[in-house]
Amino acid sequence: DAKTTQPPSMDCAEGRAANLPCNHSTISGNEYVYWYRQIHSQGPQYIIHGLKNNETNEMASLIITEDRKSSTLILPHATLRDTAVYYCIVRQNAGNMLTFGGGTRLMVKP
Amino acid sequence: DTEVTQTPKHLVMGMTNKKSLKCEQHMGHRAMYWYKQKAKKPPELMFVYSYEKLSINESVPSRFSPECPNSSLLNLHLHALQPEDSALYLCASSQREGQNYGYTFGSGTRLTVV
Repeated sequence: DAKTTQPPSMDCAEGRAANLPCNHSTISGNEYVYWYRQIHSQGPQYIIHGLKNNETNEMASLIITEDRKSSTLILPHATLRDTAVYYCIVRQNAGNMLTFGGGTRLMVKP
Repeated sequence: DTEVTQTPKHLVMGMTNKKSLKCEQHMGHRAMYWYKQKAKKPPELMFVYSYEKLSINESVPSRFSPECPNSSLLNLHLHALQPEDSALYLCASSQREGQNYGYTFGSGTRLTVV
């Protein structure tokens, strides 16, 4: 399994962009990078996923380096409601399991 | 309907009780999952059902017994649990097996074993 490394915590000022890094140096060529977040005491929420190209949706942008060994999730204008644990997950080839790592606890401050 | 609904939201049970957790989705998803999450830890996969058949059991103790009566419903039967089984139990679903399908999670059942 390709493992991910994320900083345990980050702060961001409200209204500013939040850039959450993730290292996945052992990722295989056909493994996807997924991002989920979990707001306190709720179920995880899907944010975005990608394979090679950068992706954008209404919630966030995902930037994947050309060698695919790292990625960055960007929340363009963070709000207090974006305070959550953000999980970067590399999706396994075998089966369809989503395996969570430690995640980054993002605190958005006024 | 784009939700996964879990009931009950909270459950307190004794170590000799039998109880069940329920999970329901009406999105036509054919893969469903149970995860367990201890406080301040990431969710851990317990079971995977694909097309109503158990496809993955992550070496979960037999006091946890999953059941998938139909494509919309997933149960987790609990019997003779221990206090260390207290956790948030999360259900999720996805369209199919495969990498390019995201999971939709329910809000979870917070279980306390006394």
